Amino acid sequence: SQTIHQWPATLVQPVGSPLSLECTVEGTSNPNLYWYRQAAGRGLQLLFYSVGIGQISSEVPQNLSASRPQDRQFILSSKKLLLSDSGFYLCAWSGMTGLAFFGQGTRLTVV
Amino acid sequence: SQQGEEDPQALSIQEGENATMNCSYKTSINNLQWYRQNSGRGLVHLILIRSNEREKHSGRLRVTLDTSKKSSSLLITASRAADTASYFCATVRNFGNEKLTFGTGTRLTIIP
Repeated sequence: SQTIHQWPATLVQPVGSPLSLECTVEGTSNPNLYWYRQAAGRGLQLLFYSVGIGQISSEVPQNLSASRPQDRQFILSSKKLLLSDSGFYLCAWSGMTGLAFFGQGTRLTVV
Repeated sequence: SQQGEEDPQALSIQEGENATMNCSYKTSINNLQWYRQNSGRGLVHLILIRSNEREKHSGRLRVTLDTSKKSSSLLITASRAADTASYFCATVRNFGNEKLTFGTGTRLTIIP
């Protein structure tokens, strides 16, 4: 069966520090991969999505970047975090059915 | 930008009543999906309805889609306290471009 792993669950980082959030998928090949950010009590903002290795689409200009070094690995990064980068980050994958499966999320607090 | 907008933003009903949430979107779609999110957790998919379908059922859930009005509704019948969560609609615009865009969500509270 397919599973998605996202870690860490919580993260507190100082302003100006780098960020690396990793997401991996098991049990499927060539998934579509997504990074979303959710502000408290709000909807999901699509940050990046990828339909294949090295293929990244960015939805909003921001302080973040994404990479897909392997078929089932999706990494969200920042060189220097801003206070406004705080939020709940969700990784997801989808396949032929079109349905998305989400990780448990990472709550990032930039202090 | 958000493709979907849920209505209402928040809904409180008594246990046993039916809950109806609506979603409107802006562009033509390939399919529309409904998801549930418990507080502080990831989302779980509930139902996917394709653009050529008008209604779909799954247990106590009923989803309708009106592509002429660019709207969808999610009905939860005989609500339970465990249904308390946020509900989101999401759309996929075109087959081959799998961008999945979410609405702003409806916060549903079931009062025991």
